[in-house]
Amino acid sequence: GIQVEQSPPDLILQEGANSTLRCNFSDSVNNLQWFHQNPWGQLINLFYIPSGTKQNGRLSATTVATERYSLLYISSSQTTDSGVYFCAVDNYGGSQGNLIFGKGTKLSVKP
Amino acid sequence: EAQVTQNPRYLITVTGKKLTVTCSQNMNHEYMSWYRQDPGLGLRQIYYSMNVEVTDKGDVPEGYKVSRKEKRNFPLILESPSPNQTSLYFCASSFLNSPLHFGNGTRLTVT
Repeated sequence: GIQVEQSPPDLILQEGANSTLRCNFSDSVNNLQWFHQNPWGQLINLFYIPSGTKQNGRLSATTVATERYSLLYISSSQTTDSGVYFCAVDNYGGSQGNLIFGKGTKLSVKP
Repeated sequence: EAQVTQNPRYLITVTGKKLTVTCSQNMNHEYMSWYRQDPGLGLRQIYYSMNVEVTDKGDVPEGYKVSRKEKRNFPLILESPSPNQTSLYFCASSFLNSPLHFGNGTRLTVT
């Protein structure tokens, strides 16, 4: 099946810094999403982005489907950005709806 | 308010005692799915449903059952729970090829 790898696994930032999180996937995808799991365990959808670029405030995401990767940019980070960031994909040639998650990037933003 | 509601939030049970975790969404979403989250293993899909009366296995379906008799409900059934099913469970829903919305999770302990 499709493999999803996220990097880096851990990231520590000072408040105000910028960061880039990466998601590599091993096959063509029909669906790619980014999520933030906050320290209380809630999973929040950040972007639905199987291709192209989107922006939402300080966050933006770019997926280059032909090269099989997606990037999540966080600018001017805040302590509330702490948590784990996941990307998830489903395989274009496989079962639509069978979502595979990466292992996540754990982000800690220090004041 | 648009939401995915899981119940209960916390559950402690004993091996072999059948249990059901309920999931309900009020957004008329076609797609619903269940995940379990374990340390070091990330989020793994148990079952998903593309519409009423349509269910498919995810990556870790063993020991679980689901049903989708109505569009809004997608219960997860553990007929004979075992300690290796101790985990944090999430239900999610969306329109097809659209952002996924998660419930707040159910922490299950099987002793």
